Order: sequence, then structure tokens, then C-alpha cells
Amino acid sequence: GAGVSQTPSNKVTEKGKYVELRCDPISGHTALYWYRQSLGQGPEFLIYFQGTGAADDSGLPNDRFFAVRPEGSVSTLKIQRTERGDSAVYLCASSHPGWGTGGNEQFFGPGTRLTVL
Amino acid sequence: AQSVTQPDIHITVSEGASLELRCNYSYGATPYLFWYVQSPGQGLQLLLKYFSGDTLVQGIKGFEAEFKRSQSSFNLRKPSVHWSDAAEYFCAVGVGAGGTSYGKLTFGQGTILTVHP
Repeated sequence: GAGVSQTPSNKVTEKGKYVELRCDPISGHTALYWYRQSLGQGPEFLIYFQGTGAADDSGLPNDRFFAVRPEGSVSTLKIQRTERGDSAVYLCASSHPGWGTGGNEQFFGPGTRLTVL
Repeated sequence: AQSVTQPDIHITVSEGASLELRCNYSYGATPYLFWYVQSPGQGLQLLLKYFSGDTLVQGIKGFEAEFKRSQSSFNLRKPSVHWSDAAEYFCAVGVGAGGTSYGKLTFGQGTILTVHP
């Protein structure tokens, strides 16, 4: 079966522009996560969806960042008025919800590399 | 809040030598611990995870890790490194059940492994 896919793989934009990054999770995974990985750093949590709702958006850096998952499957991360500091790799992961008796592995997509000029 | 420290930013070993990558965590409850590997241009791949039970866990590609609660550590080991193991390795702690965002991962900064022939 297909893994987590993310499009585009690369996005170059100019400062001040609006961008959308898309994530297609593994079919049947109700939990979806967005992370941001800056150069030389580990991934940092942005937002967590359980189904259609954002259960935790505490990692979004400011109100320029927004994410949706209207049908509980595909998710879009939206960034308004992009800044050079937004340049990073944006990772999406999906899993079955919660930890269960043996835990649930998060499967990561290849990421979208965003460059803001 | 939970945190993860990987003290070694870069490690170089010779092929065939043993390997130990260090990871220390801070978390107020029972931790869920993970090691991921990231090769250039690739997504994050789970090597192994610890949830409970035996403190020595086996993973893929011949890796193992030992959970030591007294030292708040979860070090990754491999007895004989192969050239293909060259990559970046991330330790992560997961928020356990009962939290509002259980499943969320907090990653360390990563350790880059170079393997000399």
C-alpha cells in the first residue's frame, strides 16, 4: 500500500506570498501530524488532527499558519504572508490514534522543502 | 514539558566498529521512546520503540536500544556498523495517553553518523 505522500516536494516562493502544502495520509489512519524541520534541527511539532478536528495546534508558531483536514483524510497546511524564517522542510505523519497496547507508529512522508526568497 | 537531548551532533566510526548513540529525555510520566533514521532525501523511518516491558528493545537493521529509567536515557546501539548506516539519527519521546495530544513526538536535535570504509 501507499505511504504518506506530500506535495509539492519542493516549493520556492517569495516573501509575502501565500503557500499551501498538501499531505495524503495512509488510508485508514485517523491521526495526522504536521512537523517542521529546520536545517540542522530535529522535527518540531506543529499540529495534530484526530479525524477532522485539530486536537492540538499548540505548535503553530503564529496566526500566519493554519491547517485543515475537512474530510478526515487529506490535510493542507497553509502559510500566509510567508517570511524567510519559514524556510524549512515540512513533514507530515499519520498513524492510528493513540498508543494502544503496543503503541502506534507514526509513518512520515518525504516532506515538502519550502524556500522563501 | 518533555524534551530530548542528543549530546553528539556528529559521530564518525569505521565500518565494522560498534556504535552507540546517546539520548537523554525529560518527561514527567512513563515515556514512550523512539529512534528514527533519516537518510538524505528520505523520510523518517522508525528503527525501534519502547513502550513498556523489557528495557532492551530490538529494532530493524540490527539496531537495539536500552531504556534506563534511572539515567533517563535511551541509547541506540549496533555491534557492527555498515557503510549503509550512514545517516542522521533522531531520538524522540512521545506524549502518553491522557494528554490532550497523545501521540505527539518531541525530537532531539539529531546525530549525524559518518561511516569510514
